[in-house]
Amino acid sequence: IVLTQSPVTLSLSPGERATLLCRASQSVSSDLAWYQQKPGQAPRLLIYDASNRATGIPARFSGSGSGTDFTLTISSLEPEDFAVYYCQQRFNWITFGQGTRLEIK
Amino acid sequence: QVQLLESGPGLVMPSETLSLTCSVSGSSITRGYYWGWVRHTPGKGLQWIGSVFYSGSAYYNPSLESRVTISVDTSKNHFSLKLSGVTAADTAVFYCARFSRPGYYTEYFQHWGQGILVTVSS
Repeated sequence: IVLTQSPVTLSLSPGERATLLCRASQSVSSDLAWYQQKPGQAPRLLIYDASNRATGIPARFSGSGSGTDFTLTISSLEPEDFAVYYCQQRFNWITFGQGTRLEIK
Repeated sequence: QVQLLESGPGLVMPSETLSLTCSVSGSSITRGYYWGWVRHTPGKGLQWIGSVFYSGSAYYNPSLESRVTISVDTSKNHFSLKLSGVTAADTAVFYCARFSRPGYYTEYFQHWGQGILVTVSS
């Protein structure tokens, strides 16, 4: 299953709302997660099963969607949120999207 | 708190076998979770390599299956990756990780190692 993320790069300012998209080449039900990765660090699990926040993840992060179309929303960007974000499906083996770079405008 | 640490050579010759070990602390490797390997390359991004259970049962990415072996040593609380016939395209940061829920061989990755850069070059 191929996961396509858009946009490739998103330029926003702190305090703005970020909307990141992940589209699957076929239905993955709700078997989708979102990760945040900063330079030199391992990915960090943010959202699992499409809409559940992982332990310790702030409430400004939310996920939605099912089937083939998924959204990660960051309601009000904090300076530490600028990073690369990946989606991952577990419905049919495991694949990742190519990532969206969230950069400071 | 579960902690994972990758170790192994940072340079591997083309056509040889890449071997890495992931040492687990803060949790027994026999607790019922699958443990996995993921790599990150500039060209292909994040790629799941495979997952292993403490019993030795393993599942591999179909695109790598012919070259990959993942094994577990419960006495040392660690698991290992072997990738044979490497080329420059296998140059990557390799992460070991533990899944978020027990019993599933495909899952989300909750706990990660810091990663280790392995370069394939002569």
